[in-house]
Amino acid sequence: DAGITQSPRYKITETGRQVTLMCHQTWSHSYMFWYRQDLGHGLRLIYYSAAADITDKGEVPDGYVVSRSKTENFPLTLESATRSQTSVYFCASSEPRGLAAWGTTDTQYFGPGTRLTVL
Amino acid sequence: SQQGEEDPQALSIQEGENATMNCSYKTSINNLQWYRQNSGRGLVHLILIRSNEREKHSGRLRVTLDTSKKSSSLLITASRAADTASYFCATFSQGGSEKLVFGKGTKLTVNP
Repeated sequence: DAGITQSPRYKITETGRQVTLMCHQTWSHSYMFWYRQDLGHGLRLIYYSAAADITDKGEVPDGYVVSRSKTENFPLTLESATRSQTSVYFCASSEPRGLAAWGTTDTQYFGPGTRLTVL
Repeated sequence: SQQGEEDPQALSIQEGENATMNCSYKTSINNLQWYRQNSGRGLVHLILIRSNEREKHSGRLRVTLDTSKKSSSLLITASRAADTASYFCATFSQGGSEKLVFGKGTKLTVNP
């Protein structure tokens, strides 16, 4: 199916365990993003990637690791999950369409989200 | 850090009424976008307005942008129960930043 998908949709894990959330997009968009959404905080950017093998930190990167070996995949790993990482995680992608300098991104397309609970 | 702040946080109206949501931001922007999120779903892009535009329409949506006041408004006319969702503004700053910064959203409830 075309679009952007996330797996799993729901995950329960325990403190200290490693968890990997998957994100896959079929548009070959250059940019991919990981956000977390928490009550009272809105969406906060964790990491983003401008292209394969290029990643950069967002607003709340601590405790997370990303990789991007292929354009279409952007997995997010919690190396040692903590209760504070209980959240809904959204992946998004976009293609630079702005008229300004290289690196500008416009519309983002979001996946359906992964609800992660850390016990 | 939050760039856009939506107001009000929650809004409840009757079907057929208009809904207006506001967004204020802090720094100079390249463009401002509005997204909708239905409960339990991902965000969906609604409309983008660039810094050199003052007003934009898309169907029942009307967005205005006042860069001097660093504010934007989203008007949904003739609302429907299906418009019930959270609405977020997101800003794309000037200066080459590659990131959208989202506000905390307005939760709109349209009662049938």
